[in-house]
Amino acid sequence: QLQLQESGPGLVKPSETLSLTCTVSGVSINTNNFFWGWIRQPPGEGLEWIATIYYTGTTYYNPSLRSRVSISLDTSNNQFSLQLSSVTAADTAVYSCAKMYGSATTNWYDSWGPGILVTVSS
Amino acid sequence: QSVLTQPPSVSAAPGQKVTISCSGTSSNIGNNYVSWYQQFPGTAPKLLIYDNYKRPSGIPDRFSGSKSGTSATLGITGLQTGDEADYYCGTWDTSLGDWSWVFGGGTKVTVL
Repeated sequence: QLQLQESGPGLVKPSETLSLTCTVSGVSINTNNFFWGWIRQPPGEGLEWIATIYYTGTTYYNPSLRSRVSISLDTSNNQFSLQLSSVTAADTAVYSCAKMYGSATTNWYDSWGPGILVTVSS
Repeated sequence: QSVLTQPPSVSAAPGQKVTISCSGTSSNIGNNYVSWYQQFPGTAPKLLIYDNYKRPSGIPDRFSGSKSGTSATLGITGLQTGDEADYYCGTWDTSLGDWSWVFGGGTKVTVL
């Protein structure tokens, strides 16, 4: 049974770097056709995709966040991580990690973690 | 403002049908498969439809998906109070050169 679980601080100060980790259980993140991503949802708003990484290390970033975001894999611990720098109050959101299934022609998100609320405040 | 346009809300009586549109361009929906997600308040989104119209195991056939040109549609028949949720479409977008995933702005379904 695949499970994803986000972890990290729930409170980050403005201008600092937000760092989150997603621990994956039930499947190896080194699996062909599996992508791993981060999605956030500000309170009362819709879903915003942040970044996705393929098991090979290929990365995809939201153009509006690209200059501040980094996504990486930790295969030894079956985890992947997100770093978002220079945060402001606008980055306050529930951050969720998710698994995407992908092939040469199609992709979809099929598993999600429960999400973690990160508040940016001094 | 999302790259994919969805109506903010739709509503219908129990047992009726609703459709949710997701409008895009040739840089996203027009050349990529669309997936749909259901989200109840305070919970993680759940995959409803993938590859434009396919349903994962366990999703009832009351939910259907279709795509035509640069628009996709989610249909819900036999509407139930348990269907009250937010619904999002999603797909890849290449309008800025690189591949980036995009979600629609979301549609709230209300059962009258």
